[in-house]
Amino acid sequence: DTAVSQTPKYLVTQMGNDKSIKCEQNLGHDTMYWYKQDSKKFLKIMFSYNNKELIINETVPNRFSPKSPDKAHLNLHINSLELGDSAVYFCASSQVDRANEQFFGPGTRLTVL
Amino acid sequence: AQSVSQHNHHVILSEAASLELGCNYSYGGTVNLFWYVQYPGQHLQLLLKYFSGDPLVKGIKGFEAEFIKSKFSFNLRKPSVQWSDTAEYFCAVKAPNGNNRLAFGKGNQVVVIP
Repeated sequence: DTAVSQTPKYLVTQMGNDKSIKCEQNLGHDTMYWYKQDSKKFLKIMFSYNNKELIINETVPNRFSPKSPDKAHLNLHINSLELGDSAVYFCASSQVDRANEQFFGPGTRLTVL
Repeated sequence: AQSVSQHNHHVILSEAASLELGCNYSYGGTVNLFWYVQYPGQHLQLLLKYFSGDPLVKGIKGFEAEFIKSKFSFNLRKPSVQWSDTAEYFCAVKAPNGNNRLAFGKGNQVVVIP
């Protein structure tokens, strides 16, 4: 059973398009995250939701909008894609009262042409 | 600014050599410390973690890390590496009052030559 799953695994699209990445966790965790990993492997947090409530919103363009329909899902919608959005996006989840050990999804490699 | 520092971004070594990766952080107070590994093309997996107690922590695949509070360090070690240890290694720190945020270092790319 996959603990944290993401779809799609690969996403290739043109500049200006709108796309979504989905994330689901079956660990019963109360907190979910989105990270962006650039070509230099630097990992940067974008958003965090705790029980469907936004608790971390880093300096991310407002073209990026997370949506958490329930605490097992955190989707990432990106409007007007730009070349610089090309990266690997990782979803993660954790349980607050377990000292925040985070479990990561397999990643979504986004390529904007 | 508070941060997590990893030095020697690129490390190349031969099989059976010993590995030590440094991690320093600048947060005060009680911290939780983690090392994650990312094998080529894969997601991050937890190697080991420190919350409290014995500062020498044993992880999976023969890795260990030592928390030295006075040095704000949490260095990762493995006495004898294998080719399969080729990966990117990330140190992460959960600081107090950080909204459960994990701050990651920039990673160490380790290449083990057979």
